[in-house]
Amino acid sequence: AQSVTQLDSQVPVFEEAPVELRCNYSSSVSVYLFWYVQYPNQGLQLLLKYLSGSTLVKGINGFEAEFNKSQTSFHLRKPSVHISDTAEYFCAVRRYSSASKIIFGSGTRLSIRP
Amino acid sequence: KAGVTQTPRYLIKTRGQQVTLSCSPISGHRSVSWYQQTPGQGLQFLFEYFSETQRNKGNFPGRFSGRQFSNSRSEMNVSTLELGDSALYLCASSFGGGVDEQFFGPGTRLTVL
Repeated sequence: AQSVTQLDSQVPVFEEAPVELRCNYSSSVSVYLFWYVQYPNQGLQLLLKYLSGSTLVKGINGFEAEFNKSQTSFHLRKPSVHISDTAEYFCAVRRYSSASKIIFGSGTRLSIRP
Repeated sequence: KAGVTQTPRYLIKTRGQQVTLSCSPISGHRSVSWYQQTPGQGLQFLFEYFSETQRNKGNFPGRFSGRQFSNSRSEMNVSTLELGDSALYLCASSFGGGVDEQFFGPGTRLTVL
């Protein structure tokens, strides 16, 4: 079975500061990894995904994530955050199978202070 | 291109009642997945439908059921509602499922009194 752990439930950061949201996963088989963002009163939006290849993945809104197989991590980073990045961020994992379900982490609430 | 639409957006029911939620996927998408989001349990996968067939199912009781129509629209039904069923129910569509990008609707907020 797969599982996802987001180590921080809340991350406060000042505007224009860098941020890292941590995600660790557990799986006995190869998986695909995702980061989603949920703005208040909205559904989820895909930020980026890792399927294979380069371990550094670039997504929308200036976010990027690095896949580290040895540490089973997929941390999300942004070098300079904006007020508009205030949202909840979810890490997710899916097994290599068209019929496998996606497992979400518990989410990290990112709050940006001016 | 219109996004994923979910109806109704808000719903209030009482214990013991049943409810049906609707999801219209993006045109051309054949996979529809349903998720339950609660503060305590987070985001949990309910089921996925592809071409009118349930392809995957999460760990929810049989009170939760769904179906998909030939136009890919999907409905989710919850019978004998319990207080713990209060949640945001999210629907997501993708072209073929798998690792195809899922596009989420805004959700239906269900409150059970």
